[in-house]
Amino acid sequence: GENVEQHPSTLSVQEGDSAVIKCTYSDSASNYFPWYKQELGKRPQLIIDIRSNVGEKKDQRIAVTLNKTAKHFSLHITETQPEDSAVYFCAASMVGQAGTALIFGKGTTLSVSS
Amino acid sequence: DADVTQTPRNRITKTGKRIMLECSQTKGHDRMYWYRQDPGLGLRLIYYSFDVKDINKGEISDGYSVSRQAQAKFSLSLESAIPNQTALYFCATSEGQVREQFFGPGTRLTVL
Repeated sequence: GENVEQHPSTLSVQEGDSAVIKCTYSDSASNYFPWYKQELGKRPQLIIDIRSNVGEKKDQRIAVTLNKTAKHFSLHITETQPEDSAVYFCAASMVGQAGTALIFGKGTTLSVSS
Repeated sequence: DADVTQTPRNRITKTGKRIMLECSQTKGHDRMYWYRQDPGLGLRLIYYSFDVKDINKGEISDGYSVSRQAQAKFSLSLESAIPNQTALYFCATSEGQVREQFFGPGTRLTVL
């Protein structure tokens, strides 16, 4: 089955710096890679996703890159702000007999200090 | 607004008790999922359902069972709760395959 590794587990940056979180996956059949943000005490919410036919996707200060050959994808946050502080989860689609579900990484706690 | 709701939001129970966590959605989505979240372990998939007659095991289904009573309702049961099932449980929904999942607010379960 699918296995998703996420690094680092914690990341501390200064306001205005960039942050990069990296994930690797094991199943070459995976074709959907979302990123979720979970603020303290809140539910996870999708911030950006990418599909296997695309190498990069941007949405304002956040971007995701995908390297299917190496089976890794990354989240890039530029010009970080204190409100970016949260736990970030990557995920990869798991293709099973019944259909497709998501397998999540263990999460990265991002702290942005002003 | 269409939403995903979970009941109860908090529950404390004792070892050996049977407990049910409920999830309802008004989004009209066909797919529903149960995850547990533990510090440092991320979100782990317990069970998922693609329609009323479909139930699939996830990564960590042992000790859990589910029921999809209707398209809008998906319940998670712990037949005989044990302390290492203490966790934050999330329900999620999506429409179709490989689409965004929408999470409920979570149920914090403590097993003493």
